[in-house]
Amino acid sequence: DAKTTQPPSMDCAEGRAANLPCNHSTISGNEYVYWYRQIHSQGPQYIIHGLKNNETNEMASLIITEDRKSSTLILPHATLRDTAVYYCIEGAGKSTFGDGTTLTVKP
Amino acid sequence: DADVTQTPRNRITKTGKRIMLECSQTKGHDRMYWYRQDPGLGLRLIYYSFDVKDINKGEISDGYSVSRQAQAKFSLSLESAIPNQTALYFCATSDLEFGGSDTQYFGPGTRLTVL
Repeated sequence: DAKTTQPPSMDCAEGRAANLPCNHSTISGNEYVYWYRQIHSQGPQYIIHGLKNNETNEMASLIITEDRKSSTLILPHATLRDTAVYYCIEGAGKSTFGDGTTLTVKP
Repeated sequence: DADVTQTPRNRITKTGKRIMLECSQTKGHDRMYWYRQDPGLGLRLIYYSFDVKDINKGEISDGYSVSRQAQAKFSLSLESAIPNQTALYFCATSDLEFGGSDTQYFGPGTRLTVL
């Protein structure tokens, strides 16, 4: 199964940008990278996805390296409500989520 | 109303009992999934279905079975529950989008405790 690698935890000051890295070296050419987050034990929430180009939406930006082996999720102005576990997934549907990165936004 | 609903939200049962968890969606999606989450860990895929006649095993299907009764309904059964199946269970739906992406939308989860 496809696997991604993420740091287990990160801290960020409120109001600052949070940059969450992900390695997905086994991604194939037509597979998207997806980011989700899970707050407490709620159902994961979709954030953003991308294939080759950088993407931005109302929640975040996604920067994908040219070789597509890694990406960075950027929350431009983190708030306390962004404290959550963030998951990076390569491909979709048949992918198991790894353990993600626990982001703690501090006042 | 929520697009993806799960029932029950909480369930306590005893070892050996048969349990069914239900998932319904109003998103009109063809694809549905069942995941399991143990404390402090990520989600692991149990079963997935890409349409009503398509059922596939995921990473951890042993001890579980599923039924896709309709496009909108996907049920997960534990034939004989055991304590190590105590976990949080999530249902998700998706649809193949233009360009080939496939974003998943999750239900609120069912917390199952097997004594």
